[in-house]
Amino acid sequence: DAMVIQNPRYQVTQFGKPVTLSCSQTLNHNVMYWYQQKSSQAPKLLFHYYDKDFNNEADTPDNFQSRRPNTSFCFLDIRSPGLGDAAMYLCATSRDGVLAGSYNEQFFGPGTRLTVL
Amino acid sequence: AQSVTQLGSHVSVSEGALVLLRCNYSSSVPPYLFWYVQYPNQGLQLLLKYTSAATLVKGINGFEAEFKKSETSFHLTKPSAHMSDAAEYFCAVRASSGYALNFGKGTSLLVTP
Repeated sequence: DAMVIQNPRYQVTQFGKPVTLSCSQTLNHNVMYWYQQKSSQAPKLLFHYYDKDFNNEADTPDNFQSRRPNTSFCFLDIRSPGLGDAAMYLCATSRDGVLAGSYNEQFFGPGTRLTVL
Repeated sequence: AQSVTQLGSHVSVSEGALVLLRCNYSSSVPPYLFWYVQYPNQGLQLLLKYTSAATLVKGINGFEAEFKKSETSFHLTKPSAHMSDAAEYFCAVRASSGYALNFGKGTSLLVTP
C-alpha cells in the first residue's frame, strides 16, 4: 500500500544533541511537509518542499532545518534540541498542481515522538 | 486569512448517540475544508473533504459533514457513535496562499458505554 513512513516512531535525545528524523513516501507526491504538534495542540507547519523548493514558515526557529535529497525522502534536523522542542513531529505529503485540482489533501505519517532529556 | 474555529475542546456522547462536532470557517475565497481524525500516538487520517463539488460530504467510518455558506460552518456528524470513534478531531482549511493547512485547535471526542 502507498503510504507515508516515519522513522523512528519514538526518539529520545539529550539537550543540545543534534537529532534527525526521517520521512519517506511511496505516493510519489511532489509536496512534503513537516509539522510540529505539542501535547493537546493542533499541528503547526514548520516548512514544506514543493518539489525541490524549500519553503520555511516565518516563525519556524533557525534550530530546525530540512533536507529533501529526492522525491521519496525528507529529513528534519534539529541542530540543538531544547526541552521546548519535545513534541510529536508529523510528516505529510500531497500531490499539488493543476492536474491534482490543488485541493491540497494531505496524507500524514504516523509521527515521531521526540523526547528531550 | 483562512482560518477555522472548533467549538468545544471536549465532547462526550453515549455509545449509539448522535455525534456533532462543530467547525466554523473564515475565508475570503471559496474554501477547501477538511476533517481529520487522530488516534493516540498516531498521525492524522483524513475523514472527508469539501472541495465545492457537493455541500453534503460523506466520509469514512460513517461520518459526514455539510458545508453551509450562510452559516460559515462545516460541522461533522455521525448518526450513531461507536466506542472506536473516541479520538481527537481536527477541522482544517487550506490557506489562501501557499500549501499550508490551517488547523483548528481540535475536539476530543469521548464515547461512553
